[in-house]
Amino acid sequence: DAGVTQSPTHLIKTRGQQVTLRCSPKSGHDTVSWYQQALGQGPQFIFQYYEEEERQRGNFPDRFSGHQFPNYSSELNVNALLLGDSALYLCASSLASQRRTYEQYFGPGTRLTVT
Amino acid sequence: KNQVEQSPQSLIILEGKNCTLQCNYTVSPFSNLRWYKQDTGRGPVSLTIMTFSENTKSNGRYTATLDADTKQSSLHITASQLSDSASYICVVASNSGNTGKLIFGQGTTLQVKP
Repeated sequence: DAGVTQSPTHLIKTRGQQVTLRCSPKSGHDTVSWYQQALGQGPQFIFQYYEEEERQRGNFPDRFSGHQFPNYSSELNVNALLLGDSALYLCASSLASQRRTYEQYFGPGTRLTVT
Repeated sequence: KNQVEQSPQSLIILEGKNCTLQCNYTVSPFSNLRWYKQDTGRGPVSLTIMTFSENTKSNGRYTATLDADTKQSSLHITASQLSDSASYICVVASNSGNTGKLIFGQGTTLQVKP
């Protein structure tokens, strides 16, 4: 039973560039949430996808966008990268039918460095 | 404003000693509270989850408590091991109708030294 996987593991980009991060949810899960975690901080909620639609969004600018595919995998896109976008990006998967328990399983994260 | 605050920010203890991490929250409506362990550069892993009616839950050497009246939780680690070195994050789930959100604390960084 595969857990949540993310790719790539590490990424280095230059200011102004665009980046795409990928996430495959735990087998059987249909909901994907994305978080940004700056060094020494707790994760900050970016957005959540279910049935290929953005269902909830945190306080992040439109430069952050996403997509969910029919197989429930998801992408996070960040445009016009800023130095402050350097962080660990976490993907978490869950089951919509269990939304009241909010049980989420996290992937290992993608470490993005913007220079 | 929904907030989760953890203390201390960081902690250093010797191997074999016990320690207690604190979490205070102002989240409404409250659904459940969980503690996660996050190794450096890795994703968080759930340790315990407690609902409103539960005041203690254990997972091996980890014991979490919840006081819903004072909105406080603690995570007690017994007989610490070097592998306990990690960040411990308190997370409160808030439900509203059919939607909900997780509010994360900033974490407590624990370092266990031999």
